[in-house]
Amino acid sequence: EVQLLESGGGLVQPGGSLRLSCAASGFTFSTSAMSWVRQAPGKGLEWVSGITGSGGSTFFADSVKGRFTISRDNSKNTLYLQMNSLRAEDTALYYCARAMGTTYYFDYWGQGTLVTVSP
Amino acid sequence: EIVLTQSPATLSLSPGERATLSCRASQSVSFYLAWYQQKPGQAPRLLIYDASNRATGIPARFSGSGSGTDFTLTISSLEPEDLAVYYCQQRSNWPRTFGGGTKVEIK
Repeated sequence: EVQLLESGGGLVQPGGSLRLSCAASGFTFSTSAMSWVRQAPGKGLEWVSGITGSGGSTFFADSVKGRFTISRDNSKNTLYLQMNSLRAEDTALYYCARAMGTTYYFDYWGQGTLVTVSP
Repeated sequence: EIVLTQSPATLSLSPGERATLSCRASQSVSFYLAWYQQKPGQAPRLLIYDASNRATGIPARFSGSGSGTDFTLTISSLEPEDLAVYYCQQRSNWPRTFGGGTKVEIK
């Protein structure tokens, strides 16, 4: 059974940093592209960042480019999102999602970890 | 960035009725479009990929069509459990983008 378990969310002040983790199991993590997708309270879905299975290529939404970094440790089956220079508008539930093949359609999702940016 | 516009924002129908949801892209995405269902308090679930292919385990009452800039998700006969917000997503260009969603209410 595929499982994605996010952690690392919490309350952080504007300008601060946070690192999210996503522990994966039940599939071959090292060959799976992954992404982070967020959802602000009461709002729609926003794709944030993606990474290929090898970690050799990364992609970002314009709203987070230069502030967020995505990485993975295939030996630990774990995906990361390093978030720096956080803003109030980054407040959201952050989902880890597996890309279906190389398509960057998302066939498995975690339950999310909540990030709140507030003074 | 490709903008996906979904309509209507809310759809209120009775069980057994047909639901038609629209997603329009700001430029052609070929057939590289997916639909997701998000029930209250849950993570999204992939319904349709590449415009018209049902994902694993998705009931046959869900179908997708379209290409280029205009796409449709059809629920042929609404069930009470179809209460959800439905999102489209394109994979044609970076960054990947989602539409704003259509909320389906059951009368």
